[in-house]
Amino acid sequence: QKEVEQNSGPLSVPEGAIASLNCTYSDRGSQSFFWYRQYSGKSPELIMSIYSNGDKEDGRFTAQLNKASQYVSLLIRDSQPSDSATYLCAVNIYNTDKLIFGTGTRLQVFP
Amino acid sequence: KAGVTQTPRYLIKTRGQQVTLSCSPISGHRSVSWYQQTPGQGLQFLFEYFSETQRNKGNFPGRFSGRQFSNSRSEMNVSTLELGDSALYLCASSLGTGLNEQFFGPGTRLTVL
Repeated sequence: QKEVEQNSGPLSVPEGAIASLNCTYSDRGSQSFFWYRQYSGKSPELIMSIYSNGDKEDGRFTAQLNKASQYVSLLIRDSQPSDSATYLCAVNIYNTDKLIFGTGTRLQVFP
Repeated sequence: KAGVTQTPRYLIKTRGQQVTLSCSPISGHRSVSWYQQTPGQGLQFLFEYFSETQRNKGNFPGRFSGRQFSNSRSEMNVSTLELGDSALYLCASSLGTGLNEQFFGPGTRLTVL
């Protein structure tokens, strides 16, 4: 079983819709969770971090964490074509700075 | 605050050569982590340095090594290059106290011919 799993997509949503991206992880000791956005040819850009169960909102982005189910998700409201990118889920192994990444979900927002 | 910088941005080498990549973290960040990104394997953790010490290591052969200097700048070295080493090499910096957000540099694109 992969340590961090994501659906590779592509996930296609119309402009203005909500995009829902999902990620599961295997290490129950994981303490912190991150969502990165990566445009083609660019490096990953941190968009959200979440550490506690529940929801965390930042502008159009909401991260949701459920440690019991080992599940973290990212919702993007009012999706824009500029949101089209690969979204990487990353999980921090307890008390280290080692990030384990999923393979990413490619999001396409069409006008 | 300036972001993470990496040099060089692009490199072309031939098999058997060695290469050194450099990373300067965000000011005040003491941890530097290195990752390899390829289309087939995605982002893979190489190693992490904190206060000049390697604190974590990924599953890469000994040809991959690194070091960190007292000013937190880090270098990564790959010896005896193989074709499969062609990848985007990314470094990320963080405060280094665990659970911290990591911020990536622009990467070095290495092509091995």
